[in-house]
Amino acid sequence: GQNIDQPTEMTATEGAIVQINCTYQTSGFNGLFWYQQHAGEAPTFLSYNVLDGLEEKGRFSSFLSRSKGYSYLLLKELQMKDSASYLCAVRVNTGFQKLVFGTGTRLLVSP
Amino acid sequence: DAGVTQSPTHLIKTRGQQVTLRCSPISGHKSVSWYQQVLGQGPQFIFQYYEKEERGRGNFPDRFSARQFPNYSSELNVNALLLGDSALYLCASSLASGGNEQFFGPGTRLTVL
Repeated sequence: GQNIDQPTEMTATEGAIVQINCTYQTSGFNGLFWYQQHAGEAPTFLSYNVLDGLEEKGRFSSFLSRSKGYSYLLLKELQMKDSASYLCAVRVNTGFQKLVFGTGTRLLVSP
Repeated sequence: DAGVTQSPTHLIKTRGQQVTLRCSPISGHKSVSWYQQVLGQGPQFIFQYYEKEERGRGNFPDRFSARQFPNYSSELNVNALLLGDSALYLCASSLASGGNEQFFGPGTRLTVL
């Protein structure tokens, strides 16, 4: 089976740094994605990792360790608008490629 | 450039009815995937189409069906609606089957009463 775990909810303060962890047990791993989803809206792409290491993109960074089945999303200089759900998704290849999502981490940024 | 579009935005149906949801991918994208997102959960994969052929199907009953047209737009049909079908239905398009980046549409919010 495919299993992805991430914390349900996190809180942080404006200007701070927050790390959202994701662990996965999947077969046919072919990349890990992070999406941001504001309430009632569609997920928007944040980052993609297929090799081990850190990918940095402005205030957002994502890390992957394939041997540990582990990833994290790091958000720096938090802003109120970063309050949203953050979805960890693994692309798996089981004859075709599809995304398997975790349940999402709801991040609340307070002043 | 227009992103992924979906219609309708919201829909209310009663149990036992049938519904058709529509999706137009980004111009040039040939792959469309459908996901169901129940409140408080992550999206669950339903179908993937590429070049008008079904490439994969998730763990959903036969009441769910889909197709892709020559212009790469797609329809998702759900028959004999159940209360549990209430969800946000998301369409994602990509250049190739399961491509590196899937772009999501705004979704259709289906409520079954």
